[in-house]
Amino acid sequence: EIVLTQSPATLSVSPGERATLSCRASESVTSNLHWYQHRPGQAPRLVIYGASTRATGIPARFSGSGFGTEFTLTISSLQSEDFAIYYCQQSNAWPWAFGQGTKVEIK
Amino acid sequence: QVHLQQSGPGLVKPSQTLSLTCAISGDSVSKNDTAWNWFRQSPSRGLEWLGWTYGASKYYNDHIRSVRGRITINPDTSKNQFSLQLNSVTPDDTATYYCARAKGGTFAYWGQGTLVTVSS
Repeated sequence: EIVLTQSPATLSVSPGERATLSCRASESVTSNLHWYQHRPGQAPRLVIYGASTRATGIPARFSGSGFGTEFTLTISSLQSEDFAIYYCQQSNAWPWAFGQGTKVEIK
Repeated sequence: QVHLQQSGPGLVKPSQTLSLTCAISGDSVSKNDTAWNWFRQSPSRGLEWLGWTYGASKYYNDHIRSVRGRITINPDTSKNQFSLQLNSVTPDDTATYYCARAKGGTFAYWGQGTLVTVSS
């Protein structure tokens, strides 16, 4: 089974700064890697699918990159609404799997 | 536009059954290319994918040992909805539960979430 490892567990960032989140897969997931944002009290939201495509309604400050086993989610200039937990998820092989999450908190 | 509307009690007594329903609009629980899922989230465990109903098949996430043998996810085609039942609940099952649609490998649509507290 594929295991996704996210780092860091917590990222402290000031508003307006860049945030870079990492997701590493235990074996190749090609580009079948997706990112979700989960704000407190709200449902999770798909942010990036297929490693690099922004989902509907997601601002351009969110970008995804990577292929195979190494992936990155970048938020170019953090806004207050971006402080949340971010999860990566792979759908390349069964069973699908989620990472344990990276919490982006206000510094 | 797909919309998922959750319903069910927010308080369940220990040893009883947690029952939640997710009503679907804009899609069909019967479609063979779409899976209908349940998740839960708590501060201590993060986001946990509990399982799905997908056409005629079911999947229950064996990695969540604490729910093994206690969980059932069922479609209701007559009402275009699906349900979650979790038997013999304990305080450890206290969490916010979410339903979600999976298609093309991603979970793009989610219910609003239901905070379920297990307490006497």
